Amino acid sequence: QVQLQESGPGLVKPSETLSLTCTVSGGSISSYYWTWIRQPPGKGLEWIGYVHYSGSTNYNPSLRSRVTISLDTSKIQFSLKLSSVTAADTAVYYCARESGALDYWGQGTLVTVSS
Amino acid sequence: EIVMTQSPATLSVSPGERATLSCRASQSVSSNLAWYQQKPGQAPRLLIYGASTRATGIPARFSGSGSGTEFTLTISSLQSGDFAVYYCQQYNNWPPWTFGQGTKVEIK
Repeated sequence: QVQLQESGPGLVKPSETLSLTCTVSGGSISSYYWTWIRQPPGKGLEWIGYVHYSGSTNYNPSLRSRVTISLDTSKIQFSLKLSSVTAADTAVYYCARESGALDYWGQGTLVTVSS
Repeated sequence: EIVMTQSPATLSVSPGERATLSCRASQSVSSNLAWYQQKPGQAPRLLIYGASTRATGIPARFSGSGSGTEFTLTISSLQSGDFAVYYCQQYNNWPPWTFGQGTKVEIK
């Protein structure tokens, strides 16, 4: 059974960089797209971007200038970095596996942007 | 960017009744459409992919239909655990993949 677990700081100051890691267990990291999605409190879902096993990436145009997603195959982890954060980036951040649809999700981690 | 529009925003249904949720895409997404269920404090769970294929472990009372721009999720006989928010998502035209705003299914 594939499991994903997000980790990282729950509080980030405005203008700083949000950094999260997703650890994958119970399955191979190859042949899939590894994705980040976020959900502001009380709102809907927003796709942030993905990294493929090959290393290729694709980002939401609305966030592209601030986002980097990378993969560490040796640790079976992938990471999200979002720079220059503001209060609008406060959300629950989910990592997920994509095989077309998003079939496995982490439990999510709340990141609050506040001084 | 493809805009996904779900209706209604809230659906009040009695246990045992049928629920029908709609999702419309601003342009064709073929059959590259998924449905997710989200309960409070939990991550979304994949119910349907390819517009009509149930994900592993999903009960047969959940069914999806449609193609192109019009899609439907039907829950044939609502059980207590089915009261949740449901999202559709297209994965045909990127970037980005886009989600609908959600339909909340509540107890009548």
